[in-house]
Amino acid sequence: NAGVTQTPKFQVLKTGQSMTLQCAQDMNHNSMYWYRQDPGMGLRLIYYSASEGTTDKGEVPNGYNVSRLNKREFSLRLESAAPSQTSVYFCASSLNRGASNQPQHFGDGTRLSIL
Amino acid sequence: AQSVTQLDSHVSVSEGTPVLLRCNYSSSYSPSLFWYVQHPNKGLQLLLKYTSAATLVKGINGFEAEFKKSETSFHLTKPSAHMSDAAEYFCVVSDYDMRFGAGTRLTVKP
Repeated sequence: NAGVTQTPKFQVLKTGQSMTLQCAQDMNHNSMYWYRQDPGMGLRLIYYSASEGTTDKGEVPNGYNVSRLNKREFSLRLESAAPSQTSVYFCASSLNRGASNQPQHFGDGTRLSIL
Repeated sequence: AQSVTQLDSHVSVSEGTPVLLRCNYSSSYSPSLFWYVQHPNKGLQLLLKYTSAATLVKGINGFEAEFKKSETSFHLTKPSAHMSDAAEYFCVVSDYDMRFGAGTRLTVKP
């Protein structure tokens, strides 16, 4: 029962370096999401993919790009990391975006520090 | 636009006493509401959800929440706190996308 798997769990980068965060789900969900979690701010949506082949911006997309590689996998890329991107990143999936009664299922997060 | 406000950033209770975590929401539609729990260095786990059926919703680990439309509230309660309940709790409103509250950190004292 893996659910949503994120790699890596921890990472330290220097300003200006690039990095890709990986996410995979095995629940046959159509929709996937990337969030960042900062103290006192809850989770904020970075990007989402409503279905395979589509991606859209969320609340805080600047400085990030995403790829929906296939139905299972959704990656988040930081092209030129900045200290303001130090955060905990969560990937989530749900059966269908827009079906408000369906919960999202979360991975354990990637803790990213940018020096 | 939808929004959610968790009224306490930190709640501290003694083991065996009741827990009350407060949440107010705003939504243009009839929303679905969720509570998630996050233990240290872990992801978010679904505690319970309200989706316009019964207004009193029972979740895992003895938690329950009551949907009150007139008060636009969805407070989370548990009759008797356990040490393992110490975690961060998030109230979430969803009418299309999910909107998270800022979180309430629950501390349980022995």
